[in-house]
Amino acid sequence: ETGVTQTPRHLVMGMTNKKSLKCEQHLGHNAMYWYKQSAKKPLELMFVYSLEERVENNSVPSRFSPECPNSSHLFLHLHTLQPEDSALYLCASSQEGGEGYTFGSGTRLTVV
Amino acid sequence: GENVEQHPSTLSVQEGDSAVIKCTYSDSASNYFPWYKQELGKRPQLIIDIRSNVGEKKDQRIAVTLNKTAKHFSLHITETQPEDSAVYFCAANPGRRALTFGSGTRLQVQP
Repeated sequence: ETGVTQTPRHLVMGMTNKKSLKCEQHLGHNAMYWYKQSAKKPLELMFVYSLEERVENNSVPSRFSPECPNSSHLFLHLHTLQPEDSALYLCASSQEGGEGYTFGSGTRLTVV
Repeated sequence: GENVEQHPSTLSVQEGDSAVIKCTYSDSASNYFPWYKQELGKRPQLIIDIRSNVGEKKDQRIAVTLNKTAKHFSLHITETQPEDSAVYFCAANPGRRALTFGSGTRLQVQP
């Protein structure tokens, strides 16, 4: 276990569903991230939280909504997704400046 | 924003040969350059990193070099083994914040 846990590991959802991805880190890091990994864009940054405050949103559609209630937990709320949103969603945490970046195992999302 | 270019996209070598992967970055404020290895179905894992105040770093068969003036850095794997087969990603931290990753290099080591 690397210290970053993601659930669920696999998720299949319809385009009208609402679901949430969860990430938890036990490394004492103060920054957390969501990345999307697909064949088209291998590791695409979606959201950055530093000290529980969102500091970056890389023009992600509003159907993806992040939540960071504290420095150890990060959520990604999903609603009315499209089939092209099917991908591996990876959570990561680090110290400020990106050092010590550690990834979770990811959630394989399929939108049908 | 930061742009990290990585080459080649695929690389095939014979077991025992060396492999070199190259990356360039655009933001001169970047000061941290890690390399990640991702095996099929697994998460990316850090294999080596270098900070901007160092020109070269080595860890057994893996080494990384950094040229700040030219804004490029490279990963060198010597005496490659079949278990080195994976996708390798370089990264930089533009504005000293979140990592921006290269597009990845699929390395295949032929036994």
